[in-house]
Formats: sequence, structure tokens, C-alpha cells
Amino acid sequence: AQSVTQLGSHVSVSEGALVLLRCNYSSSVPPYLFWYVQYPNQGLQLLLKYTTGATLVKGINGFEAEFKKSETSFHLTKPSAHMSDAAEYFCAVSDGNDMRFGAGTRLTVKP
Amino acid sequence: NAGVTQTPKFRILKIGQSMTLQCTQDMNHNYMYWYRQDPGMGLKLIYYSVGAGITDKGEVPNGYNVSRSTTEDFPLRLELAAPSQTSVYFCASGAGTVNTEAFFGQGTRLTVV
Repeated sequence: AQSVTQLGSHVSVSEGALVLLRCNYSSSVPPYLFWYVQYPNQGLQLLLKYTTGATLVKGINGFEAEFKKSETSFHLTKPSAHMSDAAEYFCAVSDGNDMRFGAGTRLTVKP
Repeated sequence: NAGVTQTPKFRILKIGQSMTLQCTQDMNHNYMYWYRQDPGMGLKLIYYSVGAGITDKGEVPNGYNVSRSTTEDFPLRLELAAPSQTSVYFCASGAGTVNTEAFFGQGTRLTVV
């Protein structure tokens, strides 16, 4: 079965700084990869996904992620953090049947 | 647009009691999932279904049961509640093609005392 490892349970950045959230996956088949965001007391919302084709994918709110097969990674980035980006972020991998999530990274944005 | 609806939003159970967490989706999705979320652990897949009449175990199925009699509904049953089942439960659905994302409900916060 596939699995996901998110490096860093907490990340803190200053407003306007680069955001980098790390995700590595394990899958025996070509993976489908996702990043979700969760705001307090809410469900998860899709930020972006990789299926096939272009390895750099762009999502909502200025986020993007790059699929690197050789590194089995799918790191999430945003050039300039905004206060509204403070949330918990989850990386997920699917083999086309079930979807497995990482432990999450809580992003704090300092003014 | 209702999407994925979970009920109840909150529930306190005593040890040994049973209950059913309801999940309904109105998007005609084939795939449905139940996850539990515990602090620092992310979301763990309990059960999933690829269509009406078909269910399969996920990572942490022990202590739970599911059924999928219709496309819309995917209830999760706890037969003998234990404190270890205190968690936030999320139901999700997806269209069922291999590259689809999952759409989540708002969650059910369950406390077993």
C-alpha cells in the first residue's frame, strides 16, 4: 500500500516569506498526488493535484507543487506567505482506489 | 450545493454504547471514504467503498463497520465504543476515476467517556 511522509509537523514563516512544505511518498504504482488544506474546525479542501503530464502543478491561493519521481517527492511551495495561509496542510497519495494521507504540517505565519 | 453531509457534528458516547455516523453525498460519486483524524497523526483510512454494495477495509478498520446500500449513503457503525475511538471522523467522496480528488464533509467530533 502507498504511504506519505510529511517532514516537519510545524513550520513557521514570516509574512511575505517563502513557504516550503515537504512531502515524500511511497507507491508501487504511478501515484496520484494531492495537497489539501484544513482550516480550524473545517473539513479538508483541495489545493492542487498531480495526475499525469506536467510535473509542476499550480493550485489555488498561489500554491504550487512539483512532482519529482526520482526523489519520490511532491513538495508544496508559495513564493510569499500571507496571514490567511495559516492552516494545516496534508499531502495525500492515491493508487486509484484508496487515498492515504500524511500526518500534516501546521503552518504558522508571523506578521 | 450540499456536497458531503455528515451527522451528527458532535456526540458524546459512554463506553460500550453503539452509534452510527451518517454520511450522505449528492454528487453521484461512486467512491466514498471514512477517515479518522487524531492530533499529530493525520487522517487514517477506516473503510472505503468503490460503489453501492462494495466496501473494503482501510488502515484502521477494527471496531467499525460500514455498509453501502445506495450510491448516496455510507454510514459508519461503532458497535462497542471505546475511549480509543475518541476522534474526529471525516467522510469523503470522489467521482471514482483514478485521478479524482476527494470531497470532504465537515466532520463529526466523537468523544467516548
